[in-house]
Amino acid sequence: KQEVTQIPAALSVPEGENLVLNCSFTDSAIYNLQWFRQDPGKGLTSLLLIQSSQREQTSGRLNASLDKSSGRSTLYIAASQPGDSATYLCAVSTGANNLFFGTGTRLTVIP
Amino acid sequence: KAGVTQTPRYLIKTRGQQVTLSCSPISGHRSVSWYQQTPGQGLQFLFEYFSETQRNKGNFPGRFSGRQFSNSRSEMNVSTLELGDSALYLCASSSQGQVSTDTQYFGPGTRLTVL
Repeated sequence: KQEVTQIPAALSVPEGENLVLNCSFTDSAIYNLQWFRQDPGKGLTSLLLIQSSQREQTSGRLNASLDKSSGRSTLYIAASQPGDSATYLCAVSTGANNLFFGTGTRLTVIP
Repeated sequence: KAGVTQTPRYLIKTRGQQVTLSCSPISGHRSVSWYQQTPGQGLQFLFEYFSETQRNKGNFPGRFSGRQFSNSRSEMNVSTLELGDSALYLCASSSQGQVSTDTQYFGPGTRLTVL
């Protein structure tokens, strides 16, 4: 069974710092990996999707990498802002829109 | 384009009752997935529908069921509610149901509390 782990569970950084969130998964037979953010009491917002054949994706200040063979992904956030404060979730797809989610990293960016 | 909408946003039920939650996907999207989010178990996949057919189902008891209509709107039903069913229920839609490339767009969720 696919298991997804995210480290650290919580992270606090001062505004302007660059940071890295980590995600690992146990079964490399994935179709894609997605990063989401979740604000308190709200649904999920898709940030980046990396297909299994890709190594990385970039969107603005966000860069996500994927190493399928080692079962790892990282989300790099440059020049963090208070508005980046949220819980970040990674999820891997193993079938028809069946996502296995990690437990999330709660990020706080301190002004 | 309007996003994914879910109704109701909040619901309080008692043990033994049943509940129906509704999800309207983004216009033109044909795939709808349902997830349960709890503090203890995190986000877990319930089931996915594409063009009115259930294609995939997670590891949940038969009390959890769903359906999709011809306009792609979806409902999920939970019968004989238990305290442990208290959770945030999220639905997500995607356009073509292409596993490798489709981004899933999530609704705000329905917060179900079972007393």
